[in-house]
Amino acid sequence: EAGVAQSPRYKIIEKRQSVAFWCNPISGHATLYWYQQILGQGPKLLIQFQNNGVVDDSQLPKDRFSAERLKGVDSTLKIQPAKLEDSAVYLCASSSPKLREGWNEQYFGPGTRLTVT
Amino acid sequence: DQQVKQNSPSLSVQEGRISILNCDYTNSMFDYFLWYKKYPAEGPTFLISISSIKDKNEDGRFTVFLNKSAKHLSLHIVPSQPGDSAVYFCAASGTPGGGGATNKLIFGTGTLLAVQP
Repeated sequence: EAGVAQSPRYKIIEKRQSVAFWCNPISGHATLYWYQQILGQGPKLLIQFQNNGVVDDSQLPKDRFSAERLKGVDSTLKIQPAKLEDSAVYLCASSSPKLREGWNEQYFGPGTRLTVT
Repeated sequence: DQQVKQNSPSLSVQEGRISILNCDYTNSMFDYFLWYKKYPAEGPTFLISISSIKDKNEDGRFTVFLNKSAKHLSLHIVPSQPGDSAVYFCAASGTPGGGGATNKLIFGTGTLLAVQP
């Protein structure tokens, strides 16, 4: 079974520029998550999709971040314009609708490391 | 407001000995607790979980203990192996689809485990 794919793996941009990340979840996984992991911290959920609908985007800075999941499969996360504090690893995860001990296990991609200079 | 805390940034143990990683939480509404393992340049991978109705869950060399009254959980690895060297994240959530706390994952800041040969 192929894992969660993300691209690019690394990105360096200047502040005020725009950037986009792409995620392809595991086939059949209805739920997709975008996390931000700042150095020295744990991953923080930015947005959660169920199919192509948003379930939770309470921690997404909507003035500069946007995300979409067209057709309920691939997803893109965009930052426009970027700030220095956006430097982080952006992780995508997906989960299956099947419950395992009452919890949907989340499978993570390798992440995109963003550096804003 | 750090709802999930891992107070030890790093831990070093000898191969064959026991590794004990600790995690504290503040939200009494959390129902599920998970441990994720992360190697450099990879996404976190699920390791083991425990629901609040249990106080222990074991999977091979890995055992998670939950003390609800103290709002504390720990991960025991016995015996420790050099391949266990990684960052370990504790995460917590409410019941998926249930009431109470949100069902998104709240991560701790991680503990870097180094197992010396």
